[in-house]
Amino acid sequence: QKEVEQNSGPLSVPEGAIASLNCTYSDRVSQSFFWYRQYSGKSPELIMSIYSNGDKEDGRFTAQLNKASQYVSLLIRDSQPSDSATYLCAVNPPRGYSTLTFGKGTMLLVSP
Amino acid sequence: NAGVMQNPRHLVRRRGQEARLRCSPVKGHSHVYWYRQLPEEGLKFMVYLQKENIIDESGMPKERFSAEFPKEGPSILRIQQVVRGDSAAYFCASSPPGALGYTFGSGTRLTVV
Repeated sequence: QKEVEQNSGPLSVPEGAIASLNCTYSDRVSQSFFWYRQYSGKSPELIMSIYSNGDKEDGRFTAQLNKASQYVSLLIRDSQPSDSATYLCAVNPPRGYSTLTFGKGTMLLVSP
Repeated sequence: NAGVMQNPRHLVRRRGQEARLRCSPVKGHSHVYWYRQLPEEGLKFMVYLQKENIIDESGMPKERFSAEFPKEGPSILRIQQVVRGDSAAYFCASSPPGALGYTFGSGTRLTVV
C-alpha cells in the first residue's frame, strides 16, 4: 500500500484559474503535512506546511487538511505560467523524527 | 546566510567506481537528511544523521551505501561500486533540532556510465 498518493497529472489549467492538487496518505497518525514545488531539474522548494484540520492560507496558496479522510490538498489561486511545476505532497510519519514520506508528485501546467 | 550546499552538482562515474557526495548544512543546523530521486519516481528518504551519529538509516540500501556527518566538515554520502541503477538525483536537507519541513540543497546528479 502506497503511503502517500498523488495523481501524476498533468493537471492543465488556464492562466488565472484555480488549480487544485490533491493528496491522500495511509498512516492515520501522521501529524505534519507539507507541499513542495519542484521545477524540472531543480530541488524541491517548501511552499506550505499544515498541521491541524482546516485551511491555511499564504498568499495565492491555500492548504487544506482533513485528517478524518486522510486527505490534504493545495489550492493555487490566480494560477500563473510560472506556477507550472511538479507539486510534491509530503507527510511526516510517526517515527518521532523529522523524516518525510513523499508522493510522486502532480505535474501542473498553466497555459497563458 | 548560505543555504544547504551540495557538491558536486553533477558527477559521472563508471560502473564499479566510488561516488562521494558532499553536503554542508545551513550554519548552525545539526541535523542532515539525504534523499534520492530516481527518474519518474518521488523523493525517497535514505538516512538521517546528527553530528557523529546515524539516527535513522532505514531508507538506505544495506550494501554499498554509507553516510557520515563528522564533528567537523560536511556530511558525506558514499556509494561504493556504483551500478547504473544508482543514477539519480541525490538531495540533502538540514534543520535545527525539532524542526519540520526543512530546506533542500540543489542536489547532486549522479550518472553511472
